[in-house]
Amino acid sequence: DAKTTQPPSMDCAEGRAANLPCNHSTISGNEYVYWYRQIHSQGPQYIIHGLKNNETNEMASLIITEDRKSSTLILPHATLRDTAVYYCIVPPYAGKSTFGDGTTLTVKP
Amino acid sequence: DAGVTQSPTHLIKTRGQQVTLRCSPKSGHDTVSWYQQALGQGPQFIFQYYEEEERQRGNFPDRFSGHQFPNYSSELNVNALLLGDSALYLCASSLTRHLSTDTQYFGPGTRLTVL
Repeated sequence: DAKTTQPPSMDCAEGRAANLPCNHSTISGNEYVYWYRQIHSQGPQYIIHGLKNNETNEMASLIITEDRKSSTLILPHATLRDTAVYYCIVPPYAGKSTFGDGTTLTVKP
Repeated sequence: DAGVTQSPTHLIKTRGQQVTLRCSPKSGHDTVSWYQQALGQGPQFIFQYYEEEERQRGNFPDRFSGHQFPNYSSELNVNALLLGDSALYLCASSLTRHLSTDTQYFGPGTRLTVL
């Protein structure tokens, strides 16, 4: 199972883009990268996922490097409500420590 | 469109007791997974239910058991509670049982405190 590595914490100014990195150097060719976030004391919320190409939806953009060993989640205009723990994962969800500890993003006014 | 719901929201039990947590999946979903999230850590997979059977299990003892009903709702049972079972218990539903490719939709969780 591919493992992911994320910085434990990041800060971002309100209104600026938040760029959250993730390393997944052991990812296999058919494994997806998923991003979820968890606002304090709530259940995780799905954000976006991708395989090879960059993806964008109403919440965020996902940039995957050509060698697929890393990716970046971009929140284009961060708000205070984006303060949360962000998890970059490579399923299977049943894997040991699939979610890891994530990155705590703090958006500051 | 109702999302994943869980009950109760909070629960306090004492060591040795038994607890049952409940989950209703998102409309249209037939697969339910349960996770345990200790304070400050990411969710850990407990097991998955599909077609009323346990399909995959994480590294949890037999004290943790579950059930899925014909309407796809599910229960998580924990027997002989230990202090270490104190955690947020999350239910997630999905469209398929493929834990390698599926998007999980999580409920708000049940906070269990064991005294």
